[in-house]
Amino acid sequence: QSVLTQPPSVSGAPGQRVTISCTGGSSNIGADNGIHWYQQVPGAPPKLLIYDKTNRPSGVPDRFSGSKSGASASLAITGLQAEDEADYYCQAYDSSLSGWVFGGGTKLTVL
Amino acid sequence: QVTLRESGPALVKPTQTLTLTCTFSGFSLSTSGMSVSWIRQPPGKALEWLALIDWDADKYYSTSLKTRLTISKDASKNQVVLTMTNMDTVDTATYYCARIRNPGYGMDVWGQGTTVTVSS
Repeated sequence: QSVLTQPPSVSGAPGQRVTISCTGGSSNIGADNGIHWYQQVPGAPPKLLIYDKTNRPSGVPDRFSGSKSGASASLAITGLQAEDEADYYCQAYDSSLSGWVFGGGTKLTVL
Repeated sequence: QVTLRESGPALVKPTQTLTLTCTFSGFSLSTSGMSVSWIRQPPGKALEWLALIDWDADKYYSTSLKTRLTISKDASKNQVVLTMTNMDTVDTATYYCARIRNPGYGMDVWGQGTTVTVSS
């Protein structure tokens, strides 16, 4: 059972907008402790998609955006493309565990 | 160009100790703010954070695994080593190392991972 809770799967048609939620608690997301998002396609290592809640590393399209409200964070993907089909993970630092935690992952299917 | 590469045995027996090495280039682990982390992923399952060592040699461990893990660095060789004792079949996974160039910036560069199978 992950400390951060994500929906197991989401789906959307090409061109649509989807959001992936990540729910934690007061010791991680609620504490604003470095919330990040990763994209992982099968057979490849994860790729940093969003860091520090809302920031995109160089090269990540602006179709990807992050937000946070209370003890939950969200990843939004607009203009869905077939290449976006992947697993997505949220991550945060947990002050009560004195370490980093990942969400259980969300599989995005592009219909 | 920043790269990281994991190396270690592909197969270990139950109760044995696993030693993995992360060899990196393109950055210095002596630079303030820099750190290297280990993460694993069992087949078909989610990512699990294991350990981190920073530029100041401070070490952090997963609460659930800390009694079995040791992380160390050799700055002169640009290597970070993770040992995990008392291996079990549930430890079968792909093990990744990743760089964090600043505590708030996430794991921005990952190695390709090394697959470890625990079986007798």
